[in-house]
Amino acid sequence: KNEVEQSPQNLTAQEGEFITINCSYSVGISALHWLQQHPGGGIVSLFMLSSGKKKHGRLIATINIQEKHSSLHITASHPRDSAVYICAVGDGNKLVFGAGTILRVKS
Amino acid sequence: DAEITQSPRHKITETGRQVTLACHQTWNHNNMFWYRQDLGHGLRLIHYSYGVQDTNKGEVSDGYSVSRSNTEDLPLTLESAASSQTSVYFCASSEAGASGSDTQYFGPGTRLTVL
Repeated sequence: KNEVEQSPQNLTAQEGEFITINCSYSVGISALHWLQQHPGGGIVSLFMLSSGKKKHGRLIATINIQEKHSSLHITASHPRDSAVYICAVGDGNKLVFGAGTILRVKS
Repeated sequence: DAEITQSPRHKITETGRQVTLACHQTWNHNNMFWYRQDLGHGLRLIHYSYGVQDTNKGEVSDGYSVSRSNTEDLPLTLESAASSQTSVYFCASSEAGASGSDTQYFGPGTRLTVL
């Protein structure tokens, strides 16, 4: 079993829809990261969180340490949100990555 | 502005050749990492360094080596390239401390094809 599991693997949404991407992990962590990778490859860190909730614009990330689960929400989705969203957990002194969720937002 | 760069961006080589991928960061970060990204897999750690003269093996280090002679650079060398090493390679850096708790800044990636 992978240490970091993301769901769904693929997601297609209509512009304006509310989107949720889930991440479950099986190891103890120091922090959880959400990253975004656009077509063309560049990887950008969206959030780093160890408890509670963080919000940046239309993006919201939550984490439940007891349940070892995190969610990334996108409100009022837009075609420019189309990307791969990657969950990663800090396991000691390294990051362990999920396989990513491919999101496509259609106009 | 501080940045992290990789070169080359694309590379085609032949089986058995030695290849070196460059990574240069101007963040003055102590921590640097090399990952590979393959379809169906998440990013996987190849090697990492917590400072000058420090290098450590990651989960997929066989066939790769790194050296850290200064803060800015962590070159990745494929000693004898194999077709299984065809992949996209990302370099990243973060501030000193428990790396799992630090934001990592990624380079643009190098697409390597081994024929």
